Amino acid sequence: EIVLTQSPGTMSLSPGERATLSCRASQSIDNNYLGWFQQKRGRAPRLLVYGASRRATGIPDRFSGSGSGTDFTLTISRLEPEDFAVYYCQQYGNSPWTFGQGTKVEIK
Amino acid sequence: QVQLVESGGGLVKPGGSLRLSCSASGFTFPDFYMTWVRQAPGKGLEFLAYIDTSTQTTYYADFVKGRFTISRDNLKDSLYLDMNGLRVEDTAVYYCAGGRYYYYRYGMDVWGQGTTVTVSS
Repeated sequence: EIVLTQSPGTMSLSPGERATLSCRASQSIDNNYLGWFQQKRGRAPRLLVYGASRRATGIPDRFSGSGSGTDFTLTISRLEPEDFAVYYCQQYGNSPWTFGQGTKVEIK
Repeated sequence: QVQLVESGGGLVKPGGSLRLSCSASGFTFPDFYMTWVRQAPGKGLEFLAYIDTSTQTTYYADFVKGRFTISRDNLKDSLYLDMNGLRVEDTAVYYCAGGRYYYYRYGMDVWGQGTTVTVSS
């Protein structure tokens, strides 16, 4: 099973700042099938990025994904008030699929 | 509109069984691989099970293998999760989610609202 380790666990930032979230895999992910999700309290997750760097439909271009193999990054170029949430990475290239433990982006 | 609606959650005693259903509408269900994902109170997301578009391939998380079974009926646009031997630690919100597959596995961009399963005596 691939273990995904996200860092940091929590980041405190102000609106307008840049957020850089990391997701490291315990082994290489086939086809770079790595996704990023945003989840707000009491809501279902929302797909932001898939295939490591492909933005999902309707996602603002301030969200971008990068990386390959075992190291992946989600960047939010300028935080908007609605971006404060928990973010999860997920690999769906190797069975069983797995999620990271999440990074909480909170208002400073 | 594109929608997944889960049902079948509830309160069950340890050792009991439950069947969750997920009804799809607004998209071509047979073109989507489907999964079940859960979230225990205050915890992160956990992948449980996957089924491909044709129902021939399934994957399970190790901790549910042998207890949970995923299935789908493409004629009814429905996904199911049969859960047996339920434990207190299976208490969670259960989501169905899916993504398109066409020579490439797109991300899981369709999610239900979740159904709550509580395992307690």
